[in-house]
Amino acid sequence: DAGVIQSPRHEVTEMGQEVTLRCKPISGHNSLFWYRQTMMRGLELLIYFNNNVPIDDSGMPEDRFSAKMPNASFSTLKIQPSEPRDSAVYFCASSPRLVRGNEQFFGPGTRLTVL
Amino acid sequence: AQTVTQSQPEMSVQEAETVTLSCTYDTSESDYYLFWYKQPPSRQMILVIRQEAYKQQNATENRFSVNFQKAAKSFSLKISDSQLGDAAMYFCAYEDQGAQKLVFGQGTRLTINP
Repeated sequence: DAGVIQSPRHEVTEMGQEVTLRCKPISGHNSLFWYRQTMMRGLELLIYFNNNVPIDDSGMPEDRFSAKMPNASFSTLKIQPSEPRDSAVYFCASSPRLVRGNEQFFGPGTRLTVL
Repeated sequence: AQTVTQSQPEMSVQEAETVTLSCTYDTSESDYYLFWYKQPPSRQMILVIRQEAYKQQNATENRFSVNFQKAAKSFSLKISDSQLGDAAMYFCAYEDQGAQKLVFGQGTRLTINP
């Protein structure tokens, strides 16, 4: 199994630009999670989906952030417009089912730098 | 909201020795899950071990074991026979309310000295 795939691995953009991060979960997994990791705030859950439906987006910091999951094998996290404080590593994770105690399988992350 | 505290930003241990990483959490729930995840320099988070609060027996996975003290809300990770490949950031996590909604601690950076 290829694991969770994220693209790009690194993204450098200028303030005000639109940024789209992509994630392909492990085949057969029904749950998908987006996290953000920064030195100041640590690892934070932004939003998660079950069977392509958003379940909880209370961690999304602002309206500038949006996430979609059009099908079981693809999800995007979009920031528009981007700001320097959005610089972070963004992780996608997937899980076989949305069940308490289940392991989450993480991707390698996308390091975003907003200048 | 539940909080998770890792009071040791950095730890170091000699190869083949044993090290214990500390974690405390705050919750009013009685049934929950706790996790330790490892983040090596490659950045990818990997599950090390998990514990269900209703199980009194401490979880073990090969060289990794936990000391779960429910009343004290403490969940420490013990790594025995430390290996160079154990060098990483270690994150303690609590599963909050909804299924699989994880709250992470700030992490402990573990260095293994050869």
